[in-house]
Amino acid sequence: EAAVTQSPRSKVAVTGGKVTLSCHQTNNHDYMYWYRQDTGHGLRLIHYSYVADSTEKGDIPDGYKASRPSQENFSLILELASLSQTAVYFCASSDWGASQNTLYFGAGTRLSVL
Amino acid sequence: AQKVTQTQTSISVMEKTTVTMDCVYETQDSSYFLFWYKQTASGEIVFLIRQDSYKKENATVGHYSLNFQKPKSSIGLIITATQIEDSAVYFCAMREGITGNTRKLIFGLGTTLQVQP
Repeated sequence: EAAVTQSPRSKVAVTGGKVTLSCHQTNNHDYMYWYRQDTGHGLRLIHYSYVADSTEKGDIPDGYKASRPSQENFSLILELASLSQTAVYFCASSDWGASQNTLYFGAGTRLSVL
Repeated sequence: AQKVTQTQTSISVMEKTTVTMDCVYETQDSSYFLFWYKQTASGEIVFLIRQDSYKKENATVGHYSLNFQKPKSSIGLIITATQIEDSAVYFCAMREGITGNTRKLIFGLGTTLQVQP
């Protein structure tokens, strides 16, 4: 059973609209991440969190907010969606123990902003 | 600054052969961790193998192994006896251990592997 679950799996949004992407993990990991994947850019970190009720900016945070209401849940929020935010979004979780921050990914959400 | 570079955009090999994918990295840290991930055609991203910089032995998991050349800042992924299902995009990633932001992974752009029957 998938340990990192993203919803929705795909979404079409209108420019200027609000979009919320959700992520739920059952790994009991402290760390959660949101990455964005675009052709030619690989995976880029948007936001991450290492404890509930706290989030940190990644490398490309502009235009995105994040929320971590519990250890299991981590959301990515686009308050005013733009065409440039069309991409595939991946959530991941990790611990800080023997795995040395190995990431475990969800299946991804394909977002199209029209 | 931390950087990961995969110079091979795509590779095509015949089934049952051995392939090596290259990755070079830049870091100021003396301690760091290197990872390889596989992204399948369905989009799923899975962890394959990890190398800790302080370990001299090359990591091996199943038919995946690493060629860690620390003086060259290089971490190659070797897949032996390739199978059709190894066709995927392979990403190299690094996490620094001491300085900088130690809580995130930086990824290369990926190498597409096509295994031909």
